[in-house]
Amino acid sequence: GAVVSQHPSRVICKSGTSVKIECRSLDFQATTMFWYRQFPKQSLMLMATSNEGSKATYEQGVEKDKFLINHASLTLSTLTVTSAHPEDSSFYICSAGGQGDQPQHFGDGTRLSIL
Amino acid sequence: AQSVAQPEDQVNVAEGNPLTVKCTYSVSGNPYLFWYVQYPNRGLQFLLKYITGDNLVKGSYGFEAEFNKSQTSFHLKKPSALVSDSALYFCAVRDIAGRRALTFGSGTRLQVQP
Repeated sequence: GAVVSQHPSRVICKSGTSVKIECRSLDFQATTMFWYRQFPKQSLMLMATSNEGSKATYEQGVEKDKFLINHASLTLSTLTVTSAHPEDSSFYICSAGGQGDQPQHFGDGTRLSIL
Repeated sequence: AQSVAQPEDQVNVAEGNPLTVKCTYSVSGNPYLFWYVQYPNRGLQFLLKYITGDNLVKGSYGFEAEFNKSQTSFHLKKPSALVSDSALYFCAVRDIAGRRALTFGSGTRLQVQP
């Protein structure tokens, strides 16, 4: 079945660091990928829709300069958390697919901890 | 706007007993409905979907779900629970005519006791 790979699985870094998270579709092409954020014991909140070859579409309240998204190829989208602070600590999950009646497929998530 | 409600934060059931995890939805048009399961520190795994047709949908690991249009519900069920079914379950919806991003419910933690 369709597989989405997300890397790294865990990041611990100092405040002020920028962190890049990669999301790859391994056996299919994805013109659109989605980035979600999940707080402890809460649901997934859509942050942005990543569009191959064009600008990402951000949800209301998500800072586009803070969360940079690049979707340079049909199999790779990256999320960069710039100048990360402790409040950015969270679980970030990407997904791809979902065209028509097909389900989205999710990466295993990235646990980001900012000290 | 579309929304999903999962009224139970946690469901406890004994191993071997049937389980139900509730979900109701709201969309402006016709829905695509999904159930996903999440294990600790992992992404979401697809369980099953309702698109059209038969209201009873069968999915992975013995799970099934019943679509009820009049009650706008899509409850997840399994005839006999396993301890290994213990996890976090999410119901999700998207409007057929709308954008592809899913709207998720708040999640229900299923605890199956041996």
